[in-house]
Amino acid sequence: GAVVSQHPSWVICKSGTSVKIECRSLDFQATTMFWYRQFPKQSLMLMATSNEGSKATYEQGVEKDKFLINHASLTLSTLTVTSAHPEDSSFYICSAQKGREDTEAFFGQGTRLTVV
Amino acid sequence: GENVEQHPSTLSVQEGDSAVIKCTYSDSASNYFPWYKQELGKGPQLIIDIRSNVGEKKDQRIAVTLNKTAKHFSLHITETQPEDSAVYFCAAALSKIIFGSGTRLSIRP
Repeated sequence: GAVVSQHPSWVICKSGTSVKIECRSLDFQATTMFWYRQFPKQSLMLMATSNEGSKATYEQGVEKDKFLINHASLTLSTLTVTSAHPEDSSFYICSAQKGREDTEAFFGQGTRLTVV
Repeated sequence: GENVEQHPSTLSVQEGDSAVIKCTYSDSASNYFPWYKQELGKGPQLIIDIRSNVGEKKDQRIAVTLNKTAKHFSLHITETQPEDSAVYFCAAALSKIIFGSGTRLSIRP
């Protein structure tokens, strides 16, 4: 149990376009989901915390108007990279918690975004 | 906010030997300390975790120790095997998981 699935696994888009990444908890309800970004040979950097039914909380330095997060249901959160540029190319990873009091998180397999 | 430091950044050990990775954290309120293994192009995989009310935890060849006073925690892998080669991340959490910088572990045959 506790499977988190991301879609797509990889995507290539042109500069200036927007890309949506989905994160689904397949066998549990996730009250909280997190979005991370990982550049090559670097660690996972937390971008934002997404709570079902409320606005996402963004980490310092992350542009909320560029990285739109929607957590419309207990099993789905989406990250939309708007007006993507080559510097947005990265590995985006989501994770999900079963409950606000449960710190353990389950990670998706990641989405490789390449902006050309 | 929480800051997690991890050492070493790279580690090469002979197959069968032990590997140790060490981390420190800054927020004394953190109460959950997971360790992840990440293979190329994949998301992190939880390999073991420990909570603040426990000092040590072991699962077969993997063990983790936690010193809350010093805000240190360590991962120990014994009898290393080629398939242990990967990048390992420590993390600390209260409500959100903050990652260390990672250790690239290589097992020499």
